[in-house]
Amino acid sequence: AQKVTQAQTEISVVEKEDVTLDCVYETRDTTYYLFWYKQPPSGELVFLIRRNSFDEQNEISGRYSWNFQKSTSSFNFTITASQVVDSAVYFCALTNNNAGNMLTFGGGTRLMVKP
Amino acid sequence: NAGVTQTPKFRILKIGQSMTLQCTQDMNHNYMYWYRQDPGMGLKLIYYSVGAGITDKGEVPNGYNVSRSTTEDFPLRLELAAPSQTSVYFCASSYSPGGNYGYTFGSGTRLTVV
Repeated sequence: AQKVTQAQTEISVVEKEDVTLDCVYETRDTTYYLFWYKQPPSGELVFLIRRNSFDEQNEISGRYSWNFQKSTSSFNFTITASQVVDSAVYFCALTNNNAGNMLTFGGGTRLMVKP
Repeated sequence: NAGVTQTPKFRILKIGQSMTLQCTQDMNHNYMYWYRQDPGMGLKLIYYSVGAGITDKGEVPNGYNVSRSTTEDFPLRLELAAPSQTSVYFCASSYSPGGNYGYTFGSGTRLTVV
């Protein structure tokens, strides 16, 4: 069985602060894929990143960066110099790519960025 | 290219009523999924389909039914609606089991059962 844990249910920061959202996963498979999605107040799910289990390189995209560590089964997400528009719920998710397999979501972290 | 289209966007049902949530994708994806998101929670899988004519239960299937008569459509049927089914429902599709290609989500249907 797969499991994704986002221990931080809610984080509040002041604009321009850096913030890291934690994600810990469990899977027995050697091939799997990890995702981060953003859900703004409007409710849609916005894809941010996909990473496969064989690629442990960290990734940076503008103010966003991701740290994937297989040794600790973690896929953490950092926002640098946060902005009010970053306020949203962020979900980490996992799939093992088996036939018909679904995406397993964590419970989400609500990020509030105050001006 | 519309992606995944869900209708309706909002609906209020009375206890015991039935309804169908529609989901259509125009990307020729074989894999389709229905998730529900309860307030303040993550998404949980209700049903999924690996192709036309094939469906299977997810984590929380009770109270729901699905069908997949075509590649494009994957409707979700609620029979005898209950307050516990108040949730936001998301439909998603994928070209394969989504790891290699990712998932495309619809914009959601917000359902309230009173």
